[in-house]
Amino acid sequence: GAVVSQHPSRVICKSGTSVKIECRSLDFQATTMFWYRQFPKKSLMLMATSNEGSKATYEQGVEKDKFLINHASLTLSTLTVTSAHPEDSSFYICSARVGGIDYGYTFGSGTRLTVV
Amino acid sequence: AQSVTQLDSQVPVFEEAPVELRCNYSSSVSVYLFWYVQYPNQGLQLLLKYLSGSTLVKGINGFEAEFNKSQTSFHLRKPSVHISDTAEYFCAVRDLGGSYIPTFGRGTSLIVHP
Repeated sequence: GAVVSQHPSRVICKSGTSVKIECRSLDFQATTMFWYRQFPKKSLMLMATSNEGSKATYEQGVEKDKFLINHASLTLSTLTVTSAHPEDSSFYICSARVGGIDYGYTFGSGTRLTVV
Repeated sequence: AQSVTQLDSQVPVFEEAPVELRCNYSSSVSVYLFWYVQYPNQGLQLLLKYLSGSTLVKGINGFEAEFNKSQTSFHLRKPSVHISDTAEYFCAVRDLGGSYIPTFGRGTSLIVHP
């Protein structure tokens, strides 16, 4: 089945630095990827939708200058948290839309970001 | 617009007992429905999905769900749970007539006690 590999699984960074999270589709071409943020005991909050080769569409309230999304190829999408602050600490998950007989959405394993 | 309601935030159950996790959706058009499971500090894994056809859908790990259009429900069931089923479960819906972005419920925490 369709697999998305997300790295790193955990990262600790200092306030003011930037962190990049990568999601790669391993055995299929992901034209559309979604980036979610998950707070403890909460559901997934969609941050943005990225389409290969075009600008990401951000959900209301998500700062696009802070959460930079790049989807430059059909197998790689990245989320960069710029000038991170402790309130950005969270669990970030990417997801890709899968077509064909595997139709649905496949998820990365998530990245636990801690900003100190 | 679509929406999903998971009626129970937490469901405690004893090992080997049956369980049902409830999910209701709202949509003005036909939908696709999904159930995902999330173990601690991991991403979401697809349990099962309903796209069309038989309303009873069987998934992995012994789970099944039934699509009930008249009641706009897609409840998840397992006849006998294991300790390892302890996890967060998310129901999701996607409108066929709208965007391809799925809407997720708030999740139900299944806690299996020995």
